[in-house]
Amino acid sequence: DAGVIQSPRHEVTEMGQEVTLRCKPISGHDYLFWYRQTMMRGLELLIYFNNNVPIDDSGMPEDRFSAKMPNASFSTLKIQPSEPRDSAVYFCASSFRAGGHYEQYFGPGTRLTVT
Amino acid sequence: SQQGEEDPQALSIQEGENATMNCSYKTSINNLQWYRQNSGRGLVHLILIRSNEREKHSGRLRVTLDTSKKSSSLLITASRAADTASYFCATDASGGSNYKLTFGKGTLLTVNP
Repeated sequence: DAGVIQSPRHEVTEMGQEVTLRCKPISGHDYLFWYRQTMMRGLELLIYFNNNVPIDDSGMPEDRFSAKMPNASFSTLKIQPSEPRDSAVYFCASSFRAGGHYEQYFGPGTRLTVT
Repeated sequence: SQQGEEDPQALSIQEGENATMNCSYKTSINNLQWYRQNSGRGLVHLILIRSNEREKHSGRLRVTLDTSKKSSSLLITASRAADTASYFCATDASGGSNYKLTFGKGTLLTVNP
């Protein structure tokens, strides 16, 4: 299996621009998570989906952030408009909870820099 | 506040020595997991211990859980330079159909050759 795939790996953009991060979870997994990691705040859960349905988006910082999961093999996290404080590494993770497995499998992350 | 807090924040040891990292949490949990993150990479799951377990082993890893003290420890025996990474504990305090982990800020382990 290829593991969780994220694109792009690096993104540099200017303040005010729209940013779209993409994630392909491991095939067959029923949960998908979006995290943000910074030195100051550590690893924060932004939103997670179960069977493509958003379950908890309480970690989404503000309305500038939105996430979708149109099907079981694809999810996007969009920031519009982006701000310098959004600079962070964004991780996507997936897990197979229905199989009784609790561990999460993380992608390599997208390093976002907003100037 | 963070559910899991690791201690120490940083640890530097020589190859061959044992490394012990601790994690404290605040609420009741279903399970506690440890993850490793190499620089510039995603997190990798190491081991899971359920709330009704007290100790678990996996290779050179030993995890303990004390629910009365709301704490866990991760012991890496006979450390290698390749063990250099950040280690995170994550707690699953979910109830019902919810399922999410809360991560601590991690312990940065440096193993010197």
